[in-house]
Amino acid sequence: DAGVIQSPRHEVTEMGQEVTLRCKPISGHNSLFWYRQTMMRGLELLIYFNNNVPIDDSGMPEDRFSAKMPNASFSTLKIQPSEPRDSAVYFCASSIWTGGKSGELFFGEGSRLTVL
Amino acid sequence: AQSVTQPDIHITVSEGASLELRCNYSYGATPYLFWYVQSPGQGLQLLLKYFSGDTLVQGIKGFEAEFKRSQSSFNLRKPSVHWSDAAEYFCAVGAPDSWGKFQFGAGTQVVVTP
Repeated sequence: DAGVIQSPRHEVTEMGQEVTLRCKPISGHNSLFWYRQTMMRGLELLIYFNNNVPIDDSGMPEDRFSAKMPNASFSTLKIQPSEPRDSAVYFCASSIWTGGKSGELFFGEGSRLTVL
Repeated sequence: AQSVTQPDIHITVSEGASLELRCNYSYGATPYLFWYVQSPGQGLQLLLKYFSGDTLVQGIKGFEAEFKRSQSSFNLRKPSVHWSDAAEYFCAVGAPDSWGKFQFGAGTQVVVTP
């Protein structure tokens, strides 16, 4: 079975450019998470969706970041304009949530972003 | 809100020796507990999980973890490490009453020497 698929795997861009990261969750999973990983801050939850609806975006750093989930099989994380401090590995993860019990997170391989 | 601490940033172990990674959590009730492993350039892979029931949990790659409520711990163990176990290991805590807000520890980097 296909796991969580992220693209691009690597992105190098210049400050001020728009960056769009993409994620396809595992089929049948109803929850999707975006994490950012840096050496300084470790793994940070940016936002998560349940049944395509954003539930908590309190981890989104600022208005330059936005995330959408137009359908159950696709999500995007957009940074506009990008800044060097946004350089990090961005992970997408999906899970199954049924009522009061959650399942584990399944992670994609990440998108490594470098903003020059 | 829940939190998790991994006291050891870095551990060096000889191949064939045993390994124990520490994880302490803070939460008012029994949380969901997970251990993940991350190899360089890769995503996080689930090793094992605890939701309820038997406090000794078996995972993949020969790992096990024990939930100790009295110590608020969920330590990961492996009796005999292989060179391929060199990676970063993350403990994570999920709260049944605030689902989605998984907290990850800072990670423990494991180096395996010949």
